[in-house]
Amino acid sequence: ETGVTQTPRHLVMGMTNKKSLKCEQHLGHNAMYWYKQSAKKPLELMFVYNFKEQTENNSVPSRFSPECPNSSHLFLHLHTLQPEDSALYLCASSQVGSGEYQETQYFGPGTRLLVL
Amino acid sequence: AQTVTQSQPEMSVQEAETVTLSCTYDTSENNYYLFWYKQPPSRQMILVIRQEAYKQQNATENRFSVNFQKAAKSFSLKISDSQLGDTAMYFCAFMKRGGSNYKLTFGKGTLLTVNP
Repeated sequence: ETGVTQTPRHLVMGMTNKKSLKCEQHLGHNAMYWYKQSAKKPLELMFVYNFKEQTENNSVPSRFSPECPNSSHLFLHLHTLQPEDSALYLCASSQVGSGEYQETQYFGPGTRLLVL
Repeated sequence: AQTVTQSQPEMSVQEAETVTLSCTYDTSENNYYLFWYKQPPSRQMILVIRQEAYKQQNATENRFSVNFQKAAKSFSLKISDSQLGDTAMYFCAFMKRGGSNYKLTFGKGTLLTVNP
């Protein structure tokens, strides 16, 4: 599966570290998403970028900072995280149009993050 | 707000048999999409099947089919001729159609084990 790639696949960091997660989509889509998947909880949408503009910030703490330099790349910058931020972070992309047209989201393999 | 409920945390089925996973949702919207995703142990979230709410015909994809009951707000997934590779976590998801919100709302998932 090479449609949506994520790096790194695994990350261990201390609470004072700064790290970044990277997502790249090779599907020609114009919207990208960050989701958080914690144990025993449904997937939670964190951020949405549509045409490189952030259109959704689902009440995410400021220690998570997204960046979308172009429609193919999405970053999640991490700073002073807490142990409860340990989770699987999934990136997704889709092709959305004007009006009411929306399309299916395709996911990357995720980054497993452990905060010590 | 939309909610998605998967009432079966775990299920098991014998190889080659048929299994049905349940999903109900609550929404006041009339125009939306419903999805089933699978997440095998590799953690890659993979689209299984998609249904547009305005279509009365149930979606099918090879061995996978849905029973979409719009009035009852029910969206079950049937897997025929189960294979060992079908072992995975299955998530039901809802997306409102239209506007600028492309948010997927997920259920908590059903862990399906296919036994040899």
